[in-house]
Amino acid sequence: QKEVEQNSGPLSVPEGAIASLNCTYSDRVSQSFFWYRQYSGKSPELIMSIYSNGDKEDGRFTAQLNKASQYVSLLIRDSQPSDSATYLCAVNTRDSSYKLIFGSGTRLLVRP
Amino acid sequence: DADVTQTPRNRITKTGKRIMLECSQTKGHDRMYWYRQDPGLGLRLIYYSFDVKDINKGEISDGYSVSRQAQAKFSLSLESAIPNQTALYFCATSDPADNEKLFFGSGTQLSVL
Repeated sequence: QKEVEQNSGPLSVPEGAIASLNCTYSDRVSQSFFWYRQYSGKSPELIMSIYSNGDKEDGRFTAQLNKASQYVSLLIRDSQPSDSATYLCAVNTRDSSYKLIFGSGTRLLVRP
Repeated sequence: DADVTQTPRNRITKTGKRIMLECSQTKGHDRMYWYRQDPGLGLRLIYYSFDVKDINKGEISDGYSVSRQAQAKFSLSLESAIPNQTALYFCATSDPADNEKLFFGSGTQLSVL
């Protein structure tokens, strides 16, 4: 079992819709969770971080964390074609060294 | 100016050659990392360094070595390149006081023929 799992997609949504991206992780003691956006050929860019159960909103982005079920999700409201990218979920590791483990990413396509 | 700078941006080399990828940063972070990215496999950690005298293997260190020349510089070497090391390589930095958020360089696309 992979430590961090994501559906590879592509997830296709129409412009203006809500895009929902999901991620599950295997290490129950993970404490820090991140979403990175990566455009084709570019480096990953941090867009959200979340550390406690519940929702965290930042503009059109909402991160949701459920530690009991070991999943973290990212909602993108009013999706725009410019949101088309691969979204990487990252989770810190068990030990104190704070290494991040990445999922393989979900490709999002927003149709105009 | 980029906070995390990788050189070269692209490199084509032949099997068996030794190559070095370089990374420098102006963020003042102690922690630096090398990742590789392959299609469908996400980012995998090769090596990481939490200060100049601290070097640690990541999940896929075989065939690679690193050198932390200074707080701001962290280089990755392939002693004898092989085709399955063809990938996109990223250097990153983080600050433990900022919950280890990673800041990435622009990447080096390496092709081993």
